[in-house]
Amino acid sequence: QKEVEQNSGPLSVPEGAIASLNCTYSDRGSQSFFWYRQYSGKSPELIMFIYSNGDKEDGRFTAQLNKASQYVSLLIRDSQPSDSATYLCAVNIPSYGNNRLAFGKGNQVVVIP
Amino acid sequence: SAVISQKPSRDICQRGTSLTIQCQVDSQVTMMFWYRQQPGQSLTLIATANQGSEATYESGFVIDKFPISRPNLTFSTLTVSNMSPEDSSIYLCSVGAAYGYTFGSGTRLTVV
Repeated sequence: QKEVEQNSGPLSVPEGAIASLNCTYSDRGSQSFFWYRQYSGKSPELIMFIYSNGDKEDGRFTAQLNKASQYVSLLIRDSQPSDSATYLCAVNIPSYGNNRLAFGKGNQVVVIP
Repeated sequence: SAVISQKPSRDICQRGTSLTIQCQVDSQVTMMFWYRQQPGQSLTLIATANQGSEATYESGFVIDKFPISRPNLTFSTLTVSNMSPEDSSIYLCSVGAAYGYTFGSGTRLTVV
């Protein structure tokens, strides 16, 4: 079982719509969860982090965490063409006294004007 | 959040040679992380570098191939040794904090 799974294929959404991305993780000891945005040819950029069950909103982005189901999601409201990118789910994995970050394979989002 | 300067930004190297990638952080950090991102793939952790101790390598990565130095709390290097075309990737350094991990701008390596 992969540490972090993002199974959805490329997501095309019309401008102004909601984009919904999902992520599951395997380590129940994980406590920190992150969403990164990566434009082509660029390094990942942190857009959201969440530690507690429930929803966390920041502007047009909402992260949702359900630790019982080991599930994290990201909603992008009022999608804009500038949101077109790959979104990476990342989970903090406690490991040998260090914490490391494990990434999902990413979901490509294309916002159609 | 920390600001990381990574260099070189890209390089084209001959098979069998080595390349050293440098990362400089604008603040002192305990751990620095080195990731690889192969074309079209997500990020894979290569190793964690602590100052004053040997780096901890993830499964599939060995010190002879990817030696790491961490001479102080603001600087680290990753060397990709005896390169082959399979090493063509983007290499990224990262530092972490409770609110998230910051990445350097990446080194795009092409081995020919």
